[in-house]
This record gives sequence, structure tokens and C-alpha cells, in this order.
Amino acid sequence: DTAVSQTPKYLVTQMGNDKSIKCEQNLGHDTMYWYKQDSKKFLKIMFSYNNKELIINETVPNRFSPKSPDKAHLNLHINSLELGDSAVYFCASSQRLNEQFFGPGTRLTVL
Amino acid sequence: SQQGEEDPQALSIQEGENATMNCSYKTSINNLQWYRQNSGRGLVHLILIRSNEREKHSGRLRVTLDTSKKSSSLLITASRAADTASYFCATAPLDPDKLIFGTGTRLQVFP
Repeated sequence: DTAVSQTPKYLVTQMGNDKSIKCEQNLGHDTMYWYKQDSKKFLKIMFSYNNKELIINETVPNRFSPKSPDKAHLNLHINSLELGDSAVYFCASSQRLNEQFFGPGTRLTVL
Repeated sequence: SQQGEEDPQALSIQEGENATMNCSYKTSINNLQWYRQNSGRGLVHLILIRSNEREKHSGRLRVTLDTSKKSSSLLITASRAADTASYFCATAPLDPDKLIFGTGTRLQVFP
């Protein structure tokens, strides 16, 4: 059974479009995260939610809006996509200050 | 930048040899974690060492932590071709609950 799942796995879209990435975890964790991995493989946290409450917002443009309908889901909506948004986006979950479990990633390509 | 540094950036060894990767970080931590990423895949948690621990073992993995030097090392003994991957250290600061990833070491193990 998949612990942390993301959809879609690949996303190719035009500049200016709006897109969403979905994430679900079935581990019963109370904290979920979004990370961005750029072309140089640098991984950086974007957002963190604990029990549906936003905890971390790491100076991400407000075109990015996370939404957590419940503890098991954390979706990422991106408005007005730009070329620089092309990257792999990873969702993760954990219990506080423990190891994080990562999803398989969503490779976003903006043309 | 808060991002940690890993050394070396790339490492090529023969099967059976040991591989050592080093990680330096900048802030006080609650714990330090090592992750593995196969090409095109998500991250897999390997081992977590808390700030009050100095050494930890898991199978062929050995991790050390020196909080006075703000550094950690990951040793993989008797490496196998299947160990080929990128390895990342990640620090969990005291607050908030997030991971700060290092730049990663690309390990290539030749059969």
C-alpha cells in the first residue's frame, strides 16, 4: 500500500496556466509538507501543515497556494505558471520531529 | 543560505569498498537525517540521529554526529551496485518542524 501518494506524476503545461497537484498520506501523520527540487537537485521546503494549519511558508510566491482539507491531504495549487516553476515537487508527511515519508514526486514542466 | 553542504559532491567506488559522505550544517538541530534518492524517484529515509547521540548503526550504514563541529558522516560498508543513488543529509532545527537539506552526494558503485 502506498504511504504517500501524489498525482499526477508528470505535468506538462503552458506558461500562464493554473494547475493543481494532489497529495494523500495513509500513515496517520499529523504534519504534511511540500518540497521543491530544482534541476540541480537542491531540495527546499515550501510549506508545512500541522493538523490542517499552515505552519511554514518559506517565502514562496503567493501564486502557490496549499490547501489541506483534512489531515490526510495536502494539495498544491499554482496560478499563472512561470518557466521557473519547472521542477519536481515532493509531498511528505511525518509525526513531529521524526523521519519524513516522501511521495514519488510530480515532475512539472512549464513550456 | 541555511542549506547544508555535503562532501564530496560525487563519489565513484567499486563494489565491496566502503563509501563515506560528509555533511556540514549551520544551525542548532533537534536531529539529523540521511535520505537516499534513486534517479527519478522519491526520497527514502535511511537513518535519524538525535542531537544527543554520537553514533548510530543500521545494517551496513553507520552515521556519526558531532554537534560541536556541526557535522555528520554517513558510512556505507561493503557497497553494492544497488547502492548507486544520491544521498542527502537533512537537519531538523529545534523549531519549526521542517527539514533543511544538504546539497547531496551522488554515489556510483561499479560492479
